[in-house]
Order: sequence, then C-alpha cells, then structure tokens
Amino acid sequence: GENVEQHPSTLSVQEGDSAVIKCTYSDSASNYFPWYKQELGKRPQLIIDIRSNVGEKKDQRIAVTLNKTAKHFSLHITETQPEDSAVYFCAASINNNNDMRFGAGTRLTVKP
Amino acid sequence: SAVISQKPSRDICQRGTSLTIQCQVDSQVTMMFWYRQQPGQSLTLIATANQGSEATYESGFVIDKFPISRPNLTFSTLTVSNMSPEDSSIYLCSAIRETEAFFGQGTRLTVV
Repeated sequence: GENVEQHPSTLSVQEGDSAVIKCTYSDSASNYFPWYKQELGKRPQLIIDIRSNVGEKKDQRIAVTLNKTAKHFSLHITETQPEDSAVYFCAASINNNNDMRFGAGTRLTVKP
Repeated sequence: SAVISQKPSRDICQRGTSLTIQCQVDSQVTMMFWYRQQPGQSLTLIATANQGSEATYESGFVIDKFPISRPNLTFSTLTVSNMSPEDSSIYLCSAIRETEAFFGQGTRLTVV
C-alpha cells in the first residue's frame, strides 16, 4: 500500500520568512495530494491540494509543487504569519479511491 | 463540504471500562475512518469502516480492542474496550467525499 513520508517533523521560522514542508510517496498510482492544517485543539482541514496532471498550484501565500518522477511534493508558505502556526499533514491517494494515507505531520511555529 | 458530528468531545474513564464514540455524517459516504492522535502528533489510522462488511484494521489494532460498527452510510461507532491509561489519546473519525477528507472534532479520552 501507499506510504507517505513527511519532513521535517518540526519547523520554526521567523515571521515573514518562508516555510517549506516536503513529502514523498511510494505508490506511483497515487494522483491526488492534499495538504491539511490542524490548529491546536481543532480538527484537520484541507488548505490546498494538487492533482498529478499539474506540477504546481498556488493560492495566495501557499503553493504546492509536485514532482511525479521523483514521487515527492512540497508545501510552500511565503510571508509567514503567527496564525500559520499549526501542524500540517500531507496525504496521497488515488482518485475515486477512498484510501488516503497521511504523512506524520509537521509542527510549524512562526515566531513574531 | 461535509459535516461530521462526533461525540463525546471528551471523557474521563476508569480503566477496564469501555467507551463508544459516535460519528454522524451529514451525507452518505462509502467509507469512514478512525484515527488516534496524541495532541499535536501524527494521525494513526486504526481502521476503515465499511458499510455492510467488517471493518479493516491496520497493523497493531484488533477488532476485540476496537470494535467498529457501520450500520448505514452516514453513521459509525468506535468502541475502545477494556481501557488502560495507554489508550488515553484523541480519537478522530473521518470520511472522504469527492476526494476531500473531512474530520470530526475529535474525542479526547483520558483513562485513569
């Protein structure tokens, strides 16, 4: 089955700096890669996703890149703000397949 | 978006007892998922709840300890049986609709 690895496990940046979180996946059939943000005490929520037919997707300060050949994808947050502090999870799945596998999570801390 | 109601939100239980956690989805979904999470840590998949068949358990989790029910396409329960302090954790249910995963608000379980 699919195995998703995520790095780093913790990340601390200064407000205004960029943050990058990286994930790799094992199943070449995976074609859907979402990212979830979980604030303290709250449930994980989808913030951005990318499908395998594109290499990059951007939504304001966040962007995701996908390298299908290398089977890795990354989350980029620019101009970080304290409210970006949370645990971020990457995931991989195959369209129309309910088997979504999550990475271990990255705790991002943005220092004011 | 789908809405998942999970209850109880928290409970303190005596060791040796059992707790049943319920999740109600506002629309029909094929599969529901149960996770365990230490605060701020990774999501560990316990099992996948299929309607009309037995749940599929991940390595390290067994039906006798975590029996699951899935009586219809909008509801599932997870029971934590014969609890010990090691079972203290946050338990989350999840469902996928149109590739997006939605989560319940979590059940914070403390076993004393």
